[in-house]
Amino acid sequence: SQTIHQWPATLVQPVGSPLSLECTVEGTSNPNLYWYRQAAGRGLQLLFYSVGIGQISSEVPQNLSASRPQDWQFILSSKKLLLSDSGFYLCAWSHSPNEKLFFGSGTQLSVL
Amino acid sequence: SQQGEEDPQALSIQEGENATMNCSYKTSINNLQWYRQNSGRGLVHLILIRSNEREKHSGRLRVTLDTSKKSSSLLITASRAADTASYFCATADRGSTLGRLYFGRGTQLTVWP
Repeated sequence: SQTIHQWPATLVQPVGSPLSLECTVEGTSNPNLYWYRQAAGRGLQLLFYSVGIGQISSEVPQNLSASRPQDWQFILSSKKLLLSDSGFYLCAWSHSPNEKLFFGSGTQLSVL
Repeated sequence: SQQGEEDPQALSIQEGENATMNCSYKTSINNLQWYRQNSGRGLVHLILIRSNEREKHSGRLRVTLDTSKKSSSLLITASRAADTASYFCATADRGSTLGRLYFGRGTQLTVWP
């Protein structure tokens, strides 16, 4: 069966520090991968999506970047965090475009 | 915005009652999906209804889709305290091959025992 792992669960970082969040998917090949951010009490904002290794599309210009070095690995990064980067970050995958998403357990990021 | 909009923002009911949540959207869609999120957790997929379907059932869940009104509803029958969560609709645009789903802000459902 397929599983998605996302870590860490919580993270507190100072402003200006770097960020690296990792997401891995097991049990399937060539998944579509997504990073979403959820502000407190708000809906989900799509940040990045990837349909294959090295193929990253960005939805919103921002302080973040994403990479997909392996078929099963999706990384969200920042060189210098801003206060506005705080939020709940969710990784997700799907078998094919527009089909149902399987979400990770999320990372609560607090930038202080 | 292409996002779905859920209504109401918050809903509070007693166990045993039915809960109805609505979603409106603006574009032509390929499908519409409903998800559930417990506080501080990831989202869990509940049901997907395609643009050529009008109604779908899964256990105590019933979803309807009216493409002429660009709206959908999620009905949870005989609610339980364990149904307390946020519920989100998400739309996939017709003709999109990129797999972007657009989520609304959600309905917070509280079911009192």
